[in-house]
Amino acid sequence: DVKVTQSSRYLVKRTGEKVFLECVQDMDHENMFWYRQDPGLGLRLIYFSYDVKMKEKGDIPEGYSVSREKKERFSLILESASTNQTSMYLCASSGDGLAGVNEQFFGPGTRLTVL
Amino acid sequence: ILNVEQSPQSLHVQEGDSTNFTCSFPSSNFYALHWYRWETAKSPEALFVMTLNGDEKKKGRISATLNTKEGYSYLYIKGSQPEDSATYLCAPEGKLIFGQGTELSVKP
Repeated sequence: DVKVTQSSRYLVKRTGEKVFLECVQDMDHENMFWYRQDPGLGLRLIYFSYDVKMKEKGDIPEGYSVSREKKERFSLILESASTNQTSMYLCASSGDGLAGVNEQFFGPGTRLTVL
Repeated sequence: ILNVEQSPQSLHVQEGDSTNFTCSFPSSNFYALHWYRWETAKSPEALFVMTLNGDEKKKGRISATLNTKEGYSYLYIKGSQPEDSATYLCAPEGKLIFGQGTELSVKP
């Protein structure tokens, strides 16, 4: 079974802090994704990566950056956390092929609160 | 931006009721549609991938149909059970865009 893990289930940070959210997948998937989920807005794509060191902006990249130094790990970085980044963050991965073509496998999510 | 709409946004039914909800999407350049189920405190999991116009997929009491010409898919749940309570998401393949989801609550 594909396993996607995220470093924390719950996280509380203060405004202005630098925040790292880590995601690891164990199925050698090429594609990895970061989404945020807010009530009434569904899942919105922040960034995705189709290969090591490669990244593409999603729909809402502002205020975020990402890092993919190894195939299995995709990190989401909030350079200076703000209260409007309080949300549920979901990581996902998918196999060979264009990003978004294959079924995505999701991690459990990190609920981030920025005070 | 591709518009993927799901309706209703939330649904409350009694155990045993049958229910259905809709995912609508632009029909141009269609490849396939994914349905996911997201239970509280768990990760979203794939339910179906639908590819052909007229496709019907079934998993237990849950089934889905697809109309690519008019750009919609229906998800049906027959005889809803409390364990069906979840948010159901749809996503057109290749677009990396999800609908906002339908939150289903089934009361015992």
